[in-house]
Amino acid sequence: DIHMTQSPSTLAASVGDRVSITCRASQSISSWLAWYQQKPGRAPKLLIDKASSLQSGVPSRFSGSGSETEFTLTISSLQPDDFATYYCQHYNSYPWTFGQGTKVEIK
Amino acid sequence: QVQLQESGPGLVKPSETLSLTCTVSGGSISSGTSYWNWIRQTPGKGLEWIGYIFYIGDTNYNFSLRSRVRMSMDRSQNRFSLRLSSVTTADTAVYFCARQQKSGWFDGFDLWGQGIMVTVSS
Repeated sequence: DIHMTQSPSTLAASVGDRVSITCRASQSISSWLAWYQQKPGRAPKLLIDKASSLQSGVPSRFSGSGSETEFTLTISSLQPDDFATYYCQHYNSYPWTFGQGTKVEIK
Repeated sequence: QVQLQESGPGLVKPSETLSLTCTVSGGSISSGTSYWNWIRQTPGKGLEWIGYIFYIGDTNYNFSLRSRVRMSMDRSQNRFSLRLSSVTTADTAVYFCARQQKSGWFDGFDLWGQGIMVTVSS
């Protein structure tokens, strides 16, 4: 299985901050990577797939970059609605696997 | 718009079979580009992909669960199901159904059900 490692596990930030979350794959996954946002008691929400393709309706302050084994999710200006847990997930080869999550907290 | 809704028992006894159904509304489960997945989430292991079923009956299961998992589809009722046999407390989780589109290669899981908590306990 391809192991996905996110860093940091927790991130404390303020409204308006630029934040970045890193996701590393244990082997190359090309650009077959998705990012999700999850709030307590809710299902994950797809933000980005194919590493950098923003889903319809997702604010443009979210962006994704990277390829092969290293990927980044960036929020250009953190908004109150963005405090949540973020997950990466690859779909390069079976089984699809997820990172352990990064919780973005209010500083 | 397309919506997914999980249903099934919230409590299952150890060694028994967990059975869940995901009903799709607002769209056809027989779409030639949609793959219908089950994913579970636990505090300890996080999010775990269980597998998917395609409308013609093709399935793909996570190897870690393959010996205990079966997925099926009822196209007339626009729903698909998960059966997980010989459950233990380690199978206690929130179970989600989710859609994954494929054109060329797969995309991310773009639609999710709200999730259903299943507890394995005697």
